[in-house]
Amino acid sequence: QVQLQQWGAGLLKPSETLSLTCTVYGGSFKNYYWSWLRQPPGKGLDWIGDVTHRGRANYNPSLQSRVAISVDPSKNQFSLKLQSVTAADTAVYYCATFDNINYYFDLWGQGTLVTVSS
Amino acid sequence: QSVLTQPPSASGSPGQSVTISCTGLSFDVGAYDYVSWYQQLPGKAPKLLIYDVTKRPSGVPDRFSGSKSDNTASLTVSGLHYDDEADYYCASHRGVNTFGVIFGGGTKLTVL
Repeated sequence: QVQLQQWGAGLLKPSETLSLTCTVYGGSFKNYYWSWLRQPPGKGLDWIGDVTHRGRANYNPSLQSRVAISVDPSKNQFSLKLQSVTAADTAVYYCATFDNINYYFDLWGQGTLVTVSS
Repeated sequence: QSVLTQPPSASGSPGQSVTISCTGLSFDVGAYDYVSWYQQLPGKAPKLLIYDVTKRPSGVPDRFSGSKSDNTASLTVSGLHYDDEADYYCASHRGVNTFGVIFGGGTKLTVL
């Protein structure tokens, strides 16, 4: 059974870079696409982007200029970087497995609250 | 601003059935059978309930069912339990000639 565990800094200042990493346990890294999503406090979910085990990424057009998702198959990890954060980027960030054939997220990490404040 | 439209709230008594709608457009919800539904309990990560409009992952009770008509998908929860009280989100393929996923704004289900 695949499990995802994520970590990263929870408090950032405006203009800094958000950095989160998700480790995959119990499954083959090659079997899925790997995604990041976020949920602002009290609001709904937004898809940030996804990446294959070979490192090919797709991004939400609204974030494309600031976001990068990468993989490290040797460590069964994938990472999110979001540049030039503002208060609007305050959210709980989730990593998840993504079925790229039928477009759904079946397994989720525990979530990381990232707060952007001066 | 969410792309798919869900009612902000729904409610029902234990044992009753409740249906939550999710309305998109002809080139997203209407174009593909790639609608999924997620349950989010307070303080927890979302959990997949339904994918491909009607399919349930292993372990999801058959009290949860999905359907779609034109540009509107629906989630029905039958035989409501108190622990069904949660936020429910729909999602869909972003649309023809695009990639990625779009979500509804979520529906808070209250079991009275």
